[in-house]
Formats: sequence, C-alpha cells, structure tokens
Amino acid sequence: AQSVTQPDIHITVSEGASLELRCNYSYGATPYLFWYVQSPGQGLQLLLKYFSGDTLVQGIKGFEAEFKRSQSSFNLRKPSVHWSDAAEYFCAVGGPGNEKLTFGTGTRLTIIP
Amino acid sequence: NAGVTQTPKFRVLKTGQSMTLLCAQDMNHEYMYWYRQDPGMGLRLIHYSVGEGTTAKGEVPDGYNVSRLKKQNFLLGLESAAPSQTSVYFCASSYSIRLSGNTIYFGEGSWLTVV
Repeated sequence: AQSVTQPDIHITVSEGASLELRCNYSYGATPYLFWYVQSPGQGLQLLLKYFSGDTLVQGIKGFEAEFKRSQSSFNLRKPSVHWSDAAEYFCAVGGPGNEKLTFGTGTRLTIIP
Repeated sequence: NAGVTQTPKFRVLKTGQSMTLLCAQDMNHEYMYWYRQDPGMGLRLIHYSVGEGTTAKGEVPDGYNVSRLKKQNFLLGLESAAPSQTSVYFCASSYSIRLSGNTIYFGEGSWLTVV
C-alpha cells in the first residue's frame, strides 16, 4: 500500500530564511508526487508535481522539490520564505494503476519576523 | 471563476441528525471526490465519482452516502451523524482520473461539528 510520511508536524522559520519540508513516501513503483499548500480557511492548492524526468521540479510561489529515489523522498524547498508562506503543507503520492492520492499528515509552517 | 464551491461552510449537528453537503463545480469535470481532514490524519478519501450517475467508495466510506445526479454536483450525506464525523470536509474535482497531466481542484472546505 502507498503511504506518505511528513515527519515534522510544525516548523517555525524566520522571514527571509531558507526552508526545507520533508516528505518520505512508500510506493511499489515509480510514484507520482505532489506538494499542496493550504492557507488558513482555504482549500488545497497545488504547488508542484513530479511524474517523471528531471528530478528537480519547480513550482509556483518560488518553491521547488527534489525527487530522490534512493531515499524515497520528495522534500520541498524555498530559498527565502515570506510571511505569506505561513500555511499547512501536504505531500501526496499516487501513481499509474492507482490514480488516487494518498496524503501525508501535513506540516504547519509558521513564519516569524 | 467559481471553481469548486461547497455549501454550507460551517454546520453544527446533534448526534443522530442528518445533513447533506453540496459540492458544485463549473469546470465540466468528470471526476469528483469527497475527502475528510482530521488533525494528524491528513486528507482521506470518503467517496468519489467518475461521472454523472456513478459513485464509488474510497478509503473511509462508512457512515456516508453520496449521489451524483448532475455532472456538476456531488452530494455527501450523513444519515445519522456521529461525533466521530466531526471533521473538515473537502470536495475536489478533476478532468481525468489520471494523475499525470491533470490537476485536482479543491473547494474551500466545510467545517462540521457533531455534538
């Protein structure tokens, strides 16, 4: 069965500092991987996705993620966070043959001035 | 551009009461989904639909029923609400069931409390 682990429940980062959110997945074949962001009171918005090819994926709002098959990871990064990045971030996995997403438990990001 | 709209956004129910959550999408999507979001659990799929008149069970279907009488609407029903159904419910839609080359659009959520 597919699964996603986001080991950090809550992360606090200073504005302007770099960010890395961790995501580890379990999937029997080459996975499809996603990062979603949920701002307070809002639905989920897709930040970026990986299906195949280049393992470094660029997304919206200056985010990027790197697929590392050997580590079963898909960590999200941003070089310099802004106060508006405060939100909850979800990693998700799916794949061909099982096209339904499995979400991680989320990481809440707090930005301090 | 409405996208995916959920009503109501907030509701408090007493145990045993029934209610229906309505999801409407204006993107002509075939596929629609209902998720619930609980603290420390992430999003879990309740039911989904691959087209008008069809429904299928997801990961946590017990205690819920759904209907897709019109392509643009997907209804989630609780026949006899229980405190364990206190959650945030998200509707989503997509053009295709295939994840590759496809984007799932989410509504803003419906906060349900069962007392």
